[in-house]
Amino acid sequence: SQELEQSPQSLIVQEGKNLTINCTSSKTLYGLYWYKQKYGEGLIFLMMLQKGGEEKSHEKITAKLDEKKQQSSLHITASQPSHAGIYLCGAVMDSNYQLIWGAGTKLIIKP
Amino acid sequence: DGGITQSPKYLFRKEGQNVTLSCEQNLNHDAMYWYRQDPGQGLRLIYYSQIVNDFQKGDIAEGYSVSREKKESFPLTVTSAQKNPTAFYLCASSSYRGNEQFFGPGTRLTVL
Repeated sequence: SQELEQSPQSLIVQEGKNLTINCTSSKTLYGLYWYKQKYGEGLIFLMMLQKGGEEKSHEKITAKLDEKKQQSSLHITASQPSHAGIYLCGAVMDSNYQLIWGAGTKLIIKP
Repeated sequence: DGGITQSPKYLFRKEGQNVTLSCEQNLNHDAMYWYRQDPGQGLRLIYYSQIVNDFQKGDIAEGYSVSREKKESFPLTVTSAQKNPTAFYLCASSSYRGNEQFFGPGTRLTVL
């Protein structure tokens, strides 16, 4: 969706290296969700952010929502093969509560 | 175990045929959703339902139909009116609209 831009589209990272994926909106976000998808499978929920400046971590994955609530980043520390997949951000932009989705970032981990 | 199931995993359809994709959840969620995913694109909402016997069109409802006769079931019919139905279809549910969504494993539909 043009309303929610994800970057980069794809990423190849050496195992053990850190990486960051971004999700940017032109509008203020009511809420921001990060999901992970293995090819040909359903989405797995990672984290949800709602407050400006909020940061959440799970294992080696950290997600942040900026103060203006228009951009979120997903940071993976010391990447592992299990981190490979497609990362999607979804955002609620109005009181209709419909989720708008980014196009996804395909992450490949090189051994 | 609670979760969402979709069937079949793969579906092949001849042009001009209607097909129905199954989605069942045992999470006791009120809201259910159908999305379509195409390569290189984000998920696009086809239909959603917030309560039994009620559903709303999403962004790309043309050529699709749904029903919500039971809380746990939300089948999607892809009709012959859908011009380009080959895609990956994902069903999701949430306790209420706007809350975290749980996804099924998806159905890949191919039109021959």
